Amino acid sequence: GAGVSQTPSNKVTEKGKYVELRCDPISGHTALYWYRQSLGQGPEFLIYFQGTGAADDSGLPNDRFFAVRPEGSVSTLKIQRTERGDSAVYLCASSLVGPDTEAFFGQGTRLTVV
Amino acid sequence: AQKITQTQPGMFVQEKEAVTLDCTYDTSDQSYGLFWYKQPSSGEMIFLIYQGSYDEQNATEGRYSLNFQKARKSANLVISASQLGDSAMYFCAMREGQRGNQFYFGTGTSLTVIP
Repeated sequence: GAGVSQTPSNKVTEKGKYVELRCDPISGHTALYWYRQSLGQGPEFLIYFQGTGAADDSGLPNDRFFAVRPEGSVSTLKIQRTERGDSAVYLCASSLVGPDTEAFFGQGTRLTVV
Repeated sequence: AQKITQTQPGMFVQEKEAVTLDCTYDTSDQSYGLFWYKQPSSGEMIFLIYQGSYDEQNATEGRYSLNFQKARKSANLVISASQLGDSAMYFCAMREGQRGNQFYFGTGTSLTVIP
């Protein structure tokens, strides 16, 4: 497809488990972003990739969160030892480089930790 | 300090009327971009309009226009001739710098269009 694709769309996991969320950006977009959105809130920045490298990971809340983008395309957000407070919608976006280029968002992955 | 401030948690507008959604921003960069996104109840984030810090004219896209007041650091979204389908959350966002960085989002404004 032409848009940003995120899988799975929904994920229910037990507290303490490990999860992986996948993002397939728009082809040619070198910038990739992960955001977390809780109900009624705006998107909260987690990490930004420029190509394969994390240009800014200052939004990752703690060391349980990690993200990779090994080939500069698909990215995986990894959460270890999940906690109930991790429950949220995780949004991925991609864009071209440049301050005037908008980000295109995927539909998000709704993570529920029970 | 918050990078993006949206002070209106909820707004109501009569169908076919115009509505202004407020956004103020905070940055020391000379080069930055301002964006508005719409998020319907389905959850997708839809890009609406962009304003660059060096743009002298206010951006317009169909029924959307951006009232950009650089000295006041405000970038209000104006929706003209509101439609029922405009009911959604609206987020203001900013990206700083020449090379592009993360997007900072506000807390959003929930707009309800009344028939």
